[in-house]
Amino acid sequence: AQSVSQHNHHVILSEAASLELGCNYSYGGTVNLFWYVQYPGQHLQLLLKYFSGDPLVKGIKGFEAEFIKSKFSFNLRKPSVQWSDTAEYFCALYAGNMLTFGGGTRLMVKP
Amino acid sequence: NAGVTQTPKFRILKIGQSMTLQCTQDMNHNYMYWYRQDPGMGLKLIYYSVGAGITDKGEVPNGYNVSRSTTEDFPLRLELAAPSQTSVYFCASSYSSPTAGELFFGEGSRLTVL
Repeated sequence: AQSVSQHNHHVILSEAASLELGCNYSYGGTVNLFWYVQYPGQHLQLLLKYFSGDPLVKGIKGFEAEFIKSKFSFNLRKPSVQWSDTAEYFCALYAGNMLTFGGGTRLMVKP
Repeated sequence: NAGVTQTPKFRILKIGQSMTLQCTQDMNHNYMYWYRQDPGMGLKLIYYSVGAGITDKGEVPNGYNVSRSTTEDFPLRLELAAPSQTSVYFCASSYSSPTAGELFFGEGSRLTVL
């Protein structure tokens, strides 16, 4: 069975600070990996995705993520966060026709 | 395009009542999903469908049923509502490979069972 772990449940940063959110997965085969974002009161939206190729993928709003196969990780990064990045972030793994989500990381950015 | 549309947005049920959450998409997606979201638990897959007439259980199917008679519609049925089913429910859809996993979500349906 596949699983996704996000170790940071709550993160509080000041504007302009750098961000890194951890994501580890468990699955023995080829994976597609995703980060989704949920802004307050809204539904989930795709932030970025990894299917194959360059392990460093760039998404919307300056976010990027690095796939490290040997560590089963897909960490999300942003060099300088803004107040508008306040949201909940979900890492997800697609395999076997199912998209499995991690528990989410709630990010609060203080102005 | 409307995308993925869910109704109702809010509903309060009494224990033992039944109801159906409606979901329809206009993107001609093959794959459709129902998730529930509980605080601190992320999203858990209830049921999914890879095409009309085909449904399969996800991680937490107990207490729910689905059907997929058309490509567009994927209703979720709660037969005997229980307080443990209080949650926010999201319907989603996607193409099949190669972009499978890139889901388009509805606005969500907040269900409270008292």
